[in-house]
Amino acid sequence: SQTIHQWPATLVQPVGSPLSLECTVEGTSNPNLYWYRQAAGRGLQLLFYSVGIGQISSEVPQNLSASRPQDRQFILSSKKLLLSDSGFYLCAWSVHPNYEQYFGPGTRLTVT
Amino acid sequence: EDKVVQSPLSLVVHEGDTVTLNCSYEVTNFRSLLWYKQEKKAPTFLFMLTSSGIEKKSGRLSSILDKKELFSILNITATQTGDSAVYLCAHGGTSYGKLTFGQGTILTVHP
Repeated sequence: SQTIHQWPATLVQPVGSPLSLECTVEGTSNPNLYWYRQAAGRGLQLLFYSVGIGQISSEVPQNLSASRPQDRQFILSSKKLLLSDSGFYLCAWSVHPNYEQYFGPGTRLTVT
Repeated sequence: EDKVVQSPLSLVVHEGDTVTLNCSYEVTNFRSLLWYKQEKKAPTFLFMLTSSGIEKKSGRLSSILDKKELFSILNITATQTGDSAVYLCAHGGTSYGKLTFGQGTILTVHP
């Protein structure tokens, strides 16, 4: 069966510091991968998606970037964090763009 | 821009009650409507609906889609305290699988 992992689970970082969040998927090949952010409200906003290694598309302009160095690894990064980057970051995968997405456990980021 | 609106934003019921959660959408190219349940952390997948009028069921939960009136409902019968969560509705409408989420409904079930 497929499993999705994210780490760290929680992170407190000062403004201006770098960020690296990691997501890995097990039990499937060539998944579609997604990064979402959930702010203080409850809706999720898509940040990045990837259909293959090295293929990254951004949904919204922001202080963040994403990379996919391996088939089942998706990384969210920032060179300098802003206060507004605080939130709950969720990675998700799907076997096909038309199918349902499954979410990882998330990383709660607080920028101080 | 695709838009998904859920109502009510919050709901408080007692165990055994039946609840109906609503999701309306305004989208350019409809593909699917998805429901998720979010407790403390990750949203868990409940249903994906693509055709009007076909009910999907899983235990006490069921959902149906009306593509003419552009809405979906999620029903939970005989609610339990474990049903307390945020229920998220999302539209999946593009070739790369982007999900556009509503703001969610907070359901609280009291014993």
